[in-house]
Amino acid sequence: AQSVTQPDIHITVSEGASLELRCNYSYGATPYLFWYVQSPGQGLQLLLKYFSGDTLVQGIKGFEAEFKRSQSSFNLRKPSVHWSDAAEYFCAVGDISNFGNEKLTFGTGTRLTIIP
Amino acid sequence: NAGVTQTPKFQVLKTGQSMTLQCAQDMNHEYMSWYRQDPGMGLRLIHYSVGAGITDQGEVPNGYNVSRSTTEDFPLRLLSAAPSQTSVYFCASSLDVGGQPQHFGDGTRLSIL
Repeated sequence: AQSVTQPDIHITVSEGASLELRCNYSYGATPYLFWYVQSPGQGLQLLLKYFSGDTLVQGIKGFEAEFKRSQSSFNLRKPSVHWSDAAEYFCAVGDISNFGNEKLTFGTGTRLTIIP
Repeated sequence: NAGVTQTPKFQVLKTGQSMTLQCAQDMNHEYMSWYRQDPGMGLRLIHYSVGAGITDQGEVPNGYNVSRSTTEDFPLRLLSAAPSQTSVYFCASSLDVGGQPQHFGDGTRLSIL
């Protein structure tokens, strides 16, 4: 069964500093990988996704993520965070064995706090 | 263009009561899904639908029913509410061939007493 681990429950970063959120997955083949962001009281918003090809994917809001098969990781990065980036971030893995009908497994999330 | 609309936003039920959480999308998306979000557990898939008339179970379907009579609507029914169903429920939809949810509603916070 697929699984996702986000080892950091809570991260605090100064505004303007760089950010890296960790995500490790367990899956038997090349997975579909996703990052979502959730602002307080709202639903999730898709930041970016990886299906195949270039292992460095660009997303919205200036985020990027790199797929590293050897490390089973899909870490999210941003070179300079803004106060508006404070939110909870979820990594998810999709089961590609049932293409067109993937079921996502979500990590438990990382809460990001931005300090001035 | 409203996106994904969920109603109600908040609801308190007594154990054993039934209710329906409404979800509607105006983007003509084929794929819709329901998730529940519990502290420290991320989101878990309850039920999903790949088109009108087609539904299937997700990871945690017990105690919930769904139907998809139209492309736009995907209601979630709690048949006999239990305290374990206290959670925040999210409806999502997707246009892509893959079912990954790209548009989420703002959620329904449900408390079962």
